[in-house]
Amino acid sequence: SQELEQSPQSLIVQEGKNLTINCTSSKTLYGLYWYKQKYGEGLIFLMMLQKGGEEKSHEKITAKLDEKKQQSSLHITASQPSHAGIYLCGADSQGGSEKLVFGKGMKLTVNP
Amino acid sequence: DTGVSQDPRHKITKRGQNVTFRCDPISEHNRLYWYRQTLGQGPEFLTYFQNEAQLEKSRLLSDRFSAERPKGSFSTLEIQRTEQGDSAMYLCASSSDVFIYGYTFGSGTRLTVV
Repeated sequence: SQELEQSPQSLIVQEGKNLTINCTSSKTLYGLYWYKQKYGEGLIFLMMLQKGGEEKSHEKITAKLDEKKQQSSLHITASQPSHAGIYLCGADSQGGSEKLVFGKGMKLTVNP
Repeated sequence: DTGVSQDPRHKITKRGQNVTFRCDPISEHNRLYWYRQTLGQGPEFLTYFQNEAQLEKSRLLSDRFSAERPKGSFSTLEIQRTEQGDSAMYLCASSSDVFIYGYTFGSGTRLTVV
């Protein structure tokens, strides 16, 4: 079965710093989804990547998909306290499947 | 439409009791999903519906678990004879097209079995 490994597991940064989160799959990536979760809450959809080399941005968050490396990265520019939370990557496990496999998440703390 | 709604938000129950959770998806979404999340882990797929049809069930969904979506609108997830290992956050999500829009998740129901 597919596994998603996220790194780092947690990160503490000073407000204004840039940071990158990685998500590496044990199998071919057909579709990669990034979500953010506040503690005890549901997941908020950030963006989805489907094609190798694809890059998407929303406000100060940019995500890229490297199909060859079976990896996606999420980059936050000039972090703010509002970026704090748990970032989870999810992947289409079978290609065309509506069932997503998720990583364990990366906990981000942004200190003002 | 205010998004995916789940009720209750929290449930504490004694081991052996039955519990039922409800999920109201976004009205125009024909797909509905249930996931379970334990502390420090990502969500794990349980089951999903397209309209009223249950199309896939995970092996995690033991015989004690049952999900329904009787009229293709709201869904219920029932756990019979709860065990301490059932303690988790139960997340519901809906979508009109997961390959374009991803899921929209609800805030979840946190179950504690004592």
